[in-house]
Amino acid sequence: GAGVSQSPSNKVTEKGKDVELRCDPISGHTALYWYRQSLGQGLEFLIYFQGNSAPDKSGLPSDRFSAERTGGSVSTLTIQRTQQEDSAVYLCASSQRDFATGTQYFGPGTRLLVL
Amino acid sequence: GQNIDQPTEMTATEGAIVQINCTYQTSGFNGLFWYQQHAGEAPTFLSYNVLDGLEEKGRFSSFLSRSKGYSYLLLKELQMKDSASYLCAPMDSNYQLIWGAGTKLIIKP
Repeated sequence: GAGVSQSPSNKVTEKGKDVELRCDPISGHTALYWYRQSLGQGLEFLIYFQGNSAPDKSGLPSDRFSAERTGGSVSTLTIQRTQQEDSAVYLCASSQRDFATGTQYFGPGTRLLVL
Repeated sequence: GQNIDQPTEMTATEGAIVQINCTYQTSGFNGLFWYQQHAGEAPTFLSYNVLDGLEEKGRFSSFLSRSKGYSYLLLKELQMKDSASYLCAPMDSNYQLIWGAGTKLIIKP
């Protein structure tokens, strides 16, 4: 595609429910990243994929968070038993992840509100 | 550890020039990125420096000094639409971007 897309754009859920967020990266980009951004705060790294594998899961805040990527393309971030502190914008980015072309291009984000 | 230091907020006047400084410490270095983020929107790429010196791109320029762990973003002829947060992000030896909290730039008429 022309850019990174994410769905849904907005999600309101009740505490304790599971949510699934989707990211479609730029075609041909091997690396895919998930970040979280709370209101007025900086980017919080969650996880990145190189192809379908996730070498770095260090940013996942708890075992309620998981992510997968299939076919080297689409990725889903799943949050189980959501809590109010999970409310944030979840951003996905993709890149070629190498020296000269490591520019990350971001999707529009999913705004998650846990009531 | 890895660390980014930028001013939290800056204010400038429309038509003026502003310089946003960034100092960093990373495990290895593979260049430094600047991103712009308007409120409620995703970050967008502005510039990439890997060698020392100044890179000019229209009204925006970015400077890097690897020996000092220092970069700045220079914005000229400021416009109201330049009001945004500016994120400094060096790339470490694993090609991982290290993100700072960003500098919120407020442009006044």
